[in-house]
Amino acid sequence: DAKTTQPTSMDCAEGRAANLPCNHSTISGNEYVYWYRQIHSQGPQYIIHGLKNNETNEMASLIITEDRKSSTLILPHATLRDTAVYYCIVRVDGGKLIFGQGTELSVKP
Amino acid sequence: EAQVTQNPRYLITVTGKKLTVTCSQNMNHEYMSWYRQDPGLGLRQIYYSMNVEVTDKGDVPEGYKVSRKEKRNFPLILESPSPNQTSLYFCASSAPGTGLAFFGQGTRLTVV
Repeated sequence: DAKTTQPTSMDCAEGRAANLPCNHSTISGNEYVYWYRQIHSQGPQYIIHGLKNNETNEMASLIITEDRKSSTLILPHATLRDTAVYYCIVRVDGGKLIFGQGTELSVKP
Repeated sequence: EAQVTQNPRYLITVTGKKLTVTCSQNMNHEYMSWYRQDPGLGLRQIYYSMNVEVTDKGDVPEGYKVSRKEKRNFPLILESPSPNQTSLYFCASSAPGTGLAFFGQGTRLTVV
């Protein structure tokens, strides 16, 4: 059970912000939210993670709602190379990541 | 550069012919694992290791073996491959208890 719900697919225009939502209504108080992406059958790539506060790094921003039941990954200026499947993960069993089906993001020119 | 290296990237083999997929990491991570990815089934963990000489089954361990004799290496062994093991395989490593993992580039295995 992945414990997350994401839209199956999304489109985004190149240069615009891509906002990828994730619902995790049963998240526990000490569970972090992790985001990964997988570009065309390559190995999944870590993007960002957070617990309560919003986070930003060179790749993306993560906005977590105050009740922690949902979050949004923001790619501020999407490029064609951001086309990928994006996974929101809240279950980490030891070191095992519980992947859901993810959101297939298509960035279009 | 932090990385997880898998070899080979592509492999076609015949049923029953033993094979090994190697995995090496340069981050001194204790935790390493193997996943397989199949259409419609997503990424599923095969085996994991929490440290040298400590390995355990994941969600889909049947038909696979692993070993962890050194911290950096975690090979995946298919003693007698079958066509249902045709899949895309990923090795990953992380610091214990975290979800911040590094994945290899994948090994696409076809068993005929």
